[in-house]
Amino acid sequence: GAVVSQHPSRVICKSGTSVKIECRSLDFQATTMFWYRQFPKQSLMLMATSNEGSKATYEQGVEKDKFLINHASLTLSTLTVTSAHPEDSSFYICSACRDRKNIQYFGAGTRLSVL
Amino acid sequence: GENVGLHLPTLSVQEGDNSIINCAYSNSASDYFIWYKQESGKGPQFIIDIRSNMDKRQGQRVTVLLNKTVKHLSLQIAATQPGDSAVYFCAENRAGGSYIPTFGRGTSLIVHP
Repeated sequence: GAVVSQHPSRVICKSGTSVKIECRSLDFQATTMFWYRQFPKQSLMLMATSNEGSKATYEQGVEKDKFLINHASLTLSTLTVTSAHPEDSSFYICSACRDRKNIQYFGAGTRLSVL
Repeated sequence: GENVGLHLPTLSVQEGDNSIINCAYSNSASDYFIWYKQESGKGPQFIIDIRSNMDKRQGQRVTVLLNKTVKHLSLQIAATQPGDSAVYFCAENRAGGSYIPTFGRGTSLIVHP
């Protein structure tokens, strides 16, 4: 099956620092990756669609300068939470589509805690 | 607006029983649906999918039913096991060319041994 690796799984940082989260497709190429945010006991909220070699497409209400997305290769997308604050604490999940079946393969998620 | 919603936020069943998780969608143009399972602290995992030209699809212990007339989707799990305890999401294909899923609210399935 398709494997998506997300790192780190958990990060605790001080307010004002930036945090980078990596999402890798290990055994397939992904021209499109997705970044989600999930609050406890709630559904996944799509933040942005990451396209290899081009700018990410952000959902309404998501600050692109706050959540920087880079998709430099067909197997790697990164999400950087800049100048993180406690309200940015959340569970961030990435996913990638493999071929044209439109099935999303998800990473294990990153638990971000901003103190 | 368009949305995919779930009728029951929590479903408790006994081990060995069959479980039925429901999902309502409002976009009649959606033509592809997926069920995902999310265990605590993990990312969602694909369970089963169905296209709108079908009304039933079976997998291993799971069956998805699609009723386009009333825009309703259900996931049936046979002989539910404790390992099935998780949150289940349905997702629909959002129109626009590339696949961008819209996730429903989720149903928490609790299986009692």
